[in-house]
Amino acid sequence: GAVVSQHPSWVICKSGTSVKIECRSLDFQATTMFWYRQFPKQSLMLMATSNEGSKATYEQGVEKDKFLINHASLTLSTLTVTSAHPEDSSFYICSALTSGGVDEQFFGPGTRLTVL
Amino acid sequence: SQKIEQNSEALNIQEGKTATLTCNYTNYSPAYLQWYRQDPGRGPVFLLLIRENEKEKRKERLKVTFDTTLKQSLFHITASQPADSATYLCALDQTGGYNKLIFGAGTRLAVHP
Repeated sequence: GAVVSQHPSWVICKSGTSVKIECRSLDFQATTMFWYRQFPKQSLMLMATSNEGSKATYEQGVEKDKFLINHASLTLSTLTVTSAHPEDSSFYICSALTSGGVDEQFFGPGTRLTVL
Repeated sequence: SQKIEQNSEALNIQEGKTATLTCNYTNYSPAYLQWYRQDPGRGPVFLLLIRENEKEKRKERLKVTFDTTLKQSLFHITASQPADSATYLCALDQTGGYNKLIFGAGTRLAVHP
């Protein structure tokens, strides 16, 4: 089956620093990847849609200058949280869309970000 | 606004019984609905997708129904096992957003031996 990996699985950083999270589709090409954020006991909230070779589309209320997304290849999308603050601490999850009309998203294992 | 509701209370059942989880939505006419399983500290795992013109779908011990009149989906796990214990999320495609999903908060299922 389609496998999506994320790196790192967890990260702790100081307030004001930037953190990059990678999302890779390991055995398929993904023209579209999504980035979600999940707070404890809450639902996944879509942050942005990442399309290979073009600018990401951000959901309402998500600051594009704070959450930088780059989808440079068909197997890699990165999310950079810039000038991180404690309120950015969350579980960040990416998903990749397979081609072939199955409308099925494959999710990565998630990255736990803790900002001190 | 589009809203998805899942029972926030945990569902506790005995091994071997059928677990039934509910997903209700409002202000919305999704083209399809999906169910995912999420274990603690992990990303969701896709289970089933059902389209608006389908009333029922099955996969092994799983069954999903989709009632567009009631705006409700039911997710059943038959012959439940302790390994089925997890949080189950329903997700619907956003209006006008191809493959963009809105997730419910999930229902935690605990299957006791």
